[in-house]
Amino acid sequence: GAVVSQHPSRVICKSGTSVKIECRSLDFQATTMFWYRQFPKQSLMLMATSNEGSKATYEQGVEKDKFLINHASLTLSTLTVTSAHPEDSSFYICSAKKGASPGYTFGSGTRLTVV
Amino acid sequence: AQSVTQLGSHVSVSEGALVLLRCNYSSSVPPYLFWYVQYPNQGLQLLLKYTSAATLVKGINGFEAEFKKSETSFHLTKPSAHMSDAAEYFCAVSDSYNQAGTALIFGKGTTLSVSS
Repeated sequence: GAVVSQHPSRVICKSGTSVKIECRSLDFQATTMFWYRQFPKQSLMLMATSNEGSKATYEQGVEKDKFLINHASLTLSTLTVTSAHPEDSSFYICSAKKGASPGYTFGSGTRLTVV
Repeated sequence: AQSVTQLGSHVSVSEGALVLLRCNYSSSVPPYLFWYVQYPNQGLQLLLKYTSAATLVKGINGFEAEFKKSETSFHLTKPSAHMSDAAEYFCAVSDSYNQAGTALIFGKGTTLSVSS
């Protein structure tokens, strides 16, 4: 089956530093990657959609300069949280989609804590 | 715009009892509908999905859901709850027109508690 590997699973960083989260599709080509953010006890909120080789499309209210998304290959997408602040602490989850198929494969999530 | 509404943020059942988690959708086009389960600090696991084939969809761990267009519903059921079913459940919808860039839109989630 389709597998998406997301790393790191947990990260603690100091305020003002940047953190990179990686998502790799291990056995399929992810033409589209979605990044979600989940606050405690809440639902997943779509942050952005990225297609391989194109700039990401950000949802309203998401700062594109703060949450940098790169989808340079069909198997790798990264989310970089720049100049992180405590309010950026959250659970981030990626989801990969292959072409027009209705299947979505989720990574295992990254718990980011900014201190 | 598509959306899903999960009725009841918290459902409590006894072990062995019927599980019913409610989901209603709103979509201007025929939807794809999904149910996911999430355990604490983990990603999402797909329970089942409706993609315009059979309206009664059977998933993993004994769960099933029925797509009812007339009621715009996709409720999740399980005949007999197990302690291990305690988790967060999310209903999600996407555009069925196979657009490669269409994201899943999630409901707010329902926490299922199972007591012995």
